[in-house]
Amino acid sequence: SQKIEQNSEALNIQEGKTATLTCNYTNYSPAYLQWYRQDPGRGPVFLLLIRENEKEKRKERLKVTFDTTLKQSLFHITASQPADSATYLCALNNNNDMRFGAGTRLTVKP
Amino acid sequence: DTGVSQDPRHKITKRGQNVTFRCDPISEHNRLYWYRQTLGQGPEFLTYFQNEAQLEKSRLLSDRFSAERPKGSFSTLEIQRTEQGDSAMYLCASATGAGGSNQPQHFGDGTRLSIL
Repeated sequence: SQKIEQNSEALNIQEGKTATLTCNYTNYSPAYLQWYRQDPGRGPVFLLLIRENEKEKRKERLKVTFDTTLKQSLFHITASQPADSATYLCALNNNNDMRFGAGTRLTVKP
Repeated sequence: DTGVSQDPRHKITKRGQNVTFRCDPISEHNRLYWYRQTLGQGPEFLTYFQNEAQLEKSRLLSDRFSAERPKGSFSTLEIQRTEQGDSAMYLCASATGAGGSNQPQHFGDGTRLSIL
């Protein structure tokens, strides 16, 4: 069956360090992969989209990689700040079939 | 762009009652999605509209769930004969149709349903 796994439920890092979040998937061939941020009690907010033929995408302090051979995406936040503390969700998209991972809760400590 | 709005934000009801939630998407978006999210999980896709046409509904959780988008603008999600297991956050998202189905989705802040 199709499965999306995000590396851990929670990740704690020190301010200024780089946070790296992992999204692995099986039995799925997504055309696109998206990352979202979700704060408690709020809906997800779109961050980045990467296509299957792209290796890397950047936006300010964010970087996403997409390896369709490994069936894995990495999401990096450089120079992390306490305001980056949130749950980060990866989502795989093939046509209108969008499936989300369970998310990784990131805490950035000052 | 006033964002996606959902109403009500919270709904508490007794088991067996019917509930209806409303979603107002971003005005120029013709795609509208409904999701359910339970604690510690990511959103789970339920159904999808393009304009007023419901193009995917096979993943609605049971025949107690139904959705409408009568004029291609706002949408409603109804749950009939609610059960304890229906307690969750119900999220609506909208997206532009331009550029295909991969466009980022804009989410509302959801309706939290609690079944007593």
